[in-house]
Amino acid sequence: NAGVTQTPKFQVLKTGQSMTLQCAQDMNHEYMSWYRQDPGMGLRLIHYSVGAGITDQGEVPNGYNVSRSTTEDFPLRLLSAAPSQTSVYFCASIPSGTGKNGYTFGSGTRLTVV
Amino acid sequence: DAKTTQPNSMESNEEEPVHLPCNHSTISGTDYIHWYRQLPSQGPEYVIHGLTSNVNNRMASLAIAEDRKSSTLILHRATLRDAAVYYCILSYNQGGKLIFGQGTELSVKP
Repeated sequence: NAGVTQTPKFQVLKTGQSMTLQCAQDMNHEYMSWYRQDPGMGLRLIHYSVGAGITDQGEVPNGYNVSRSTTEDFPLRLLSAAPSQTSVYFCASIPSGTGKNGYTFGSGTRLTVV
Repeated sequence: DAKTTQPNSMESNEEEPVHLPCNHSTISGTDYIHWYRQLPSQGPEYVIHGLTSNVNNRMASLAIAEDRKSSTLILHRATLRDAAVYYCILSYNQGGKLIFGQGTELSVKP
């Protein structure tokens, strides 16, 4: 199994551009989440999904959109990139929401907005 | 949302045990205690988790206080590869939300 796959690994955007960060998992996990990590900081939750068709906001949702049309995929869209969104983005998944299982994280997408 | 408190940093010598503490005084009865670690330039890696009883796996042990207001991650023999930031996190009952704190940066001296 590939686990959680994030693409691209690196991306440079100009201010105002839009893009989609892809996240896919092949473990049939119900729950998926997006985090960002700024230099020297811990991870902050952006959005999460408890199943196909269901999403909710995390700690820092502004400037980001998500959708969950399938169990496998959970893309993160930047509508109009800003330098403040320069960060490393991590996607994570877990089988269900009871906390009984550990999360699996992707290897991250390093985004720079100039 | 319940929060956790960890020391900012700790040091250990190679091949010695390491005890990483975590306080979570506002934990609710259904919150699981999770531990993750993050090596430099990598995504977080699951280490261990538990609810009430102490837990052991190939990576570490988790000791949970009887009142569940604190826990300790135990690395039995630290290696240089264990140098990382360790996060203690409460997994809320509804799942989907792991709220990270600042974590403990563990350095291991040869």
